[in-house]
Amino acid sequence: GAVVSQHPSWVICKSGTSVKIECRSLDFQATTMFWYRQFPKQSLMLMATSNEGSKATYEQGVEKDKFLINHASLTLSTLTVTSAHPEDSSFYICSARGGSSGNTIYFGEGSWLTVV
Amino acid sequence: RKEVEQDPGPFNVPEGATVAFNCTYSNSASQSFFWYRQDCRKEPKLLMSVYSSGNEDGRFTAQLNRASQYISLLIRDSKLSDSATYLCVVIMNAGGTSYGKLTFGQGTILTVHP
Repeated sequence: GAVVSQHPSWVICKSGTSVKIECRSLDFQATTMFWYRQFPKQSLMLMATSNEGSKATYEQGVEKDKFLINHASLTLSTLTVTSAHPEDSSFYICSARGGSSGNTIYFGEGSWLTVV
Repeated sequence: RKEVEQDPGPFNVPEGATVAFNCTYSNSASQSFFWYRQDCRKEPKLLMSVYSSGNEDGRFTAQLNRASQYISLLIRDSKLSDSATYLCVVIMNAGGTSYGKLTFGQGTILTVHP
């Protein structure tokens, strides 16, 4: 079964609204989670590193005010796409470190966002 | 230069064929290497890790060449179910809070046809 769960799997929203995507580690604590974005026929691009209890670290070119990341607990990180526009339509996916050694990477199932 | 680059593909092969993918990385300090498989509209799933000594898992063989900074994936006796996008993944930092920051290649699409 999944050890990292994302919700929602699919979301359609109107342009200008905000959408929140949740990433949960189900049976382990994740101090660090990673958020990726994948456009059609392209690879996954790291957007930001989410650190529990502190500010996220954003990759170059990713607007921190547009993609709000909150990692308030050891099992939950959220990504909020604010004032979404059609060009934000993409596949968003999170990953987290876990496992007995803490070095196994688990992916969430991903969230498809369509902005109309 | 991209941090991780893969063969552009796509590869279109008949069942039973042997196919190989290569991937180069630019950071010589890269520590860990993986091949992931991604099916259409799904999250990537780990196919296999890549070790310096090379490793094999059934029909799949992965190799690492640190001197030339590339990794490879060989698939023998291709099956229809092998059709997917294969992603080369590199982890740049071996420890600390940065560990787990995967850098993906652009992916290579493989289609196996009857």
